Amino acid sequence: DGGITQSPKYLFRKEGQNVTLSCEQNLNHDAMYWYRQDPGQGLRLIYYSQIVNDFQKGDIAEGYSVSREKKESFPLTVTSAQKNPTAFYLCASSSYGGETQYFGPGTRLLVL
Amino acid sequence: AQTVTQSQPEMSVQEAETVTLSCTYDTSESDYYLFWYKQPPSRQMILVIRQEAYKQQNATENRFSVNFQKAAKSFSLKISDSQLGDAAMYFCAYRSWRGGSEKLVFGKGTKLTVNP
Repeated sequence: DGGITQSPKYLFRKEGQNVTLSCEQNLNHDAMYWYRQDPGQGLRLIYYSQIVNDFQKGDIAEGYSVSREKKESFPLTVTSAQKNPTAFYLCASSSYGGETQYFGPGTRLLVL
Repeated sequence: AQTVTQSQPEMSVQEAETVTLSCTYDTSESDYYLFWYKQPPSRQMILVIRQEAYKQQNATENRFSVNFQKAAKSFSLKISDSQLGDAAMYFCAYRSWRGGSEKLVFGKGTKLTVNP
């Protein structure tokens, strides 16, 4: 089945710790995105990547980092510089120039 | 910058009835896309319907249809014959038409409850 997978479903972070959220897609999509969702809010863009080895900051990139070494994978690292990381994180993908983004099931990040 | 506003934080409907969710947006662009996404309790975002701004005809997908008023910058979602499985958060989203890969700009969502 084609789709987008995210892991883990739940992730706990200790103070000062970096954690990495996984996003994999087998839709052969060129573009991938990371969004953050807070309670009572819509989604906000963290980073996006249109092609391998290239990515751009979104609206709230501070405290986050990404890599795009493979077309299928777009991991997001939440660094210790992100002071309020508790949120729901959604990964999405689309074909290059494609107007529709398809989403993964999300990762819930909690701070211990 | 584009903004999307959903003025109804919560709505409720009786099963089998019709409900309309409102969305307005602000943009200076003439070409763009609009979307409605559904987020059930599982929290996965599911595409419900899509509208291209250059198309005058309103999009329809089975029980879901939109009323797209470009001049008024309004994009409402109508759900007919509501079912219990329609209960979810609904998000309106905007995307620029520009080439390449553009972000989605989301509203804050409307929580829809379906009463049996």
